[in-house]
Amino acid sequence: DSGVTQTPKHLITATGQRVTLRCSPRSGDLSVYWYQQSLDQGLQFLIQYYNGEERAKGNILERFSAQQFPDLHSELNLSSLELGDSALYFCASGGGVVGNTIYFGEGSWLTVV
Amino acid sequence: SQQGEEDPQALSIQEGENATMNCSYKTSINNLQWYRQNSGRGLVHLILIRSNEREKHSGRLRVTLDTSKKSSSLLITASRAADTASYFCATLEYGNKLVFGAGTILRVKS
Repeated sequence: DSGVTQTPKHLITATGQRVTLRCSPRSGDLSVYWYQQSLDQGLQFLIQYYNGEERAKGNILERFSAQQFPDLHSELNLSSLELGDSALYFCASGGGVVGNTIYFGEGSWLTVV
Repeated sequence: SQQGEEDPQALSIQEGENATMNCSYKTSINNLQWYRQNSGRGLVHLILIRSNEREKHSGRLRVTLDTSKKSSSLLITASRAADTASYFCATLEYGNKLVFGAGTILRVKS
């Protein structure tokens, strides 16, 4: 158990809909990272937050947004969903100190139908 | 975008043999981390090697890092069927992005 909790584990939704994925980082970790894993794109970095502020941005679509709350949990919002958004979405957390180990949650499986 | 490139893409060995996976990257890094992923499951952290380290061991795992060649290798000794998984290297860039390679699929036959 990495200590990173993601909900929901599985989600099936229709095209055009909006979903929210939630992540609770390991106790004491200030950084949260979001990744998307699909068969054709591999593991893609989406965005990172540190103590509530956006720290780094990757290949995150404009239809996607994220935030980190004062209690350090984070949410990834996916809107106007398309079939191609079907993927495994991972949250990871780290201490925020550069060089620390980054631990991953079990992921949220999103299927868009 | 992916920074690391793993080699080989797939590896099939017999139980008891050693498995070596290689990773190359492009930019300057703070550290490099190796992860294992069982099919459809989460990423399990295996080992972290800092940019000023050249070799690190953890149990049956040995990782090397050559920053002059921008490459790393992961050696799993005395492999077991339970080691069957995908293995990824990930580089922590100085902008604090952890960027993954495409991974190596390892199959250990019993």
